[in-house]
Amino acid sequence: DAGVIQSPRHEVTEMGQEVTLRCKPISGHNSLFWYRQTMMRGLELLIYFNNNVPIDDSGMPEDRFSAKMPNASFSTLKIQPSEPRDSAVYFCASSLYGTRSNQPQHFGDGTRLSIL
Amino acid sequence: GIQVEQSPPDLILQEGANSTLRCNFSDSVNNLQWFHQNPWGQLINLFYIPSGTKQNGRLSATTVATERYSLLYISSSQTTDSGVYFCAVGEMDSSYKLIFGSGTRLLVRP
Repeated sequence: DAGVIQSPRHEVTEMGQEVTLRCKPISGHNSLFWYRQTMMRGLELLIYFNNNVPIDDSGMPEDRFSAKMPNASFSTLKIQPSEPRDSAVYFCASSLYGTRSNQPQHFGDGTRLSIL
Repeated sequence: GIQVEQSPPDLILQEGANSTLRCNFSDSVNNLQWFHQNPWGQLINLFYIPSGTKQNGRLSATTVATERYSLLYISSSQTTDSGVYFCAVGEMDSSYKLIFGSGTRLLVRP
């Protein structure tokens, strides 16, 4: 079975440019998560979608960050304009989540983002 | 919010040795996962274990939810076990939101 697929694996761009990260969740999963990993702050949840609807975006750092999930099989995380402090590894994860039961979150391989 | 503490922060083993990694959390949880982040940065699911005991090959895990801790056991360690091991928990009211510990960095020497 295909896992969570993220693209690109690596992205290097200059400050001020727009960056778009992409994620395809595991088929059949109803929940999608974007996390960010930095040396200073570790792994943090940025935003959580359930059935394509954003439920919790309290972790999104600021207005420069936006995320969309137009359908059950695709999500994007966009940074515009990008800044050097956005350099990090961005992970997408998916799961079957419900109010009565939890299921494990499965992570993609991540996108290593470097803003020069 | 909930606090997650992992110990030890660093661990060096000789190949073949056994080890125990610990995860303490400050409040009740209904979601707990152990991950292995390999040297290539991939986060690999090891266990989903909000309570009880599970085993998978040389790895096993136990969570005692009432006492707010979880243990990950690695037996007969191999060099491929090297990497960082993360414990992540979800609070009762928002279990979808995984709160990660700072990890245990493991190096297994041949």
